[in-house]
Amino acid sequence: DQQVKQNSPSLSVQEGRISILNCDYTNSMFDYFLWYKKYPAEGPTFLISISSIKDKNEDGRFTVFLNKSAKHLSLHIVPSQPGDSAVYFCAASAPGNTPLVFGKGTRLSVIA
Amino acid sequence: EAGVAQSPRYKIIEKRQSVAFWCNPISGHATLYWYQQILGQGPKLLIQFQNNGVVDDSQLPKDRFSAERLKGVDSTLKIQPAKLEDSAVYLCASSLDLTDTQYFGPGTRLTVL
Repeated sequence: DQQVKQNSPSLSVQEGRISILNCDYTNSMFDYFLWYKKYPAEGPTFLISISSIKDKNEDGRFTVFLNKSAKHLSLHIVPSQPGDSAVYFCAASAPGNTPLVFGKGTRLSVIA
Repeated sequence: EAGVAQSPRYKIIEKRQSVAFWCNPISGHATLYWYQQILGQGPKLLIQFQNNGVVDDSQLPKDRFSAERLKGVDSTLKIQPAKLEDSAVYLCASSLDLTDTQYFGPGTRLTVL
């Protein structure tokens, strides 16, 4: 049973436009959500996070939106740059020291 | 600041052989994690250490996998004997403490033939 789902395996966006990556979760106990970015042959790199007490968190070109009632979060990248081309993983955790649960990832390609 | 170091970066073995992976976390990070990432999947936690103690090993296949962090710094993950389905990238991560942001190493890509 997949608790964190990224239903789009890939996404292609033109440079300068907005990239929107989506993530759904099923476990209502999750209260902390993260996005990681992964380049080939490298480990995942932390990008941005959001707590369930917020519905939006922004860091430069990256914004994460959380819709708790829909159990849905999204990552917006504006404007998209070729260097943003990578695999993006959504992850979630429940309160206390519970493991991070990762989605399968979405491969973003930003075309110049 | 140096990141999480892992070695080797690549390993090819035959089934039923043994293999070991090494991880050196970021200096001062008390919590260390080993993840398995199978192709097309997200990372899955195998084991979590806090200093030299195991916090969570519920998803570690203990009949063949073992891990240790004897001095509370670097760690070794071993598979003995390996199966074909163990082919994956093994990622090590560390964090300052239990609920802090995790920083990942580059991983070890294991191929079992």
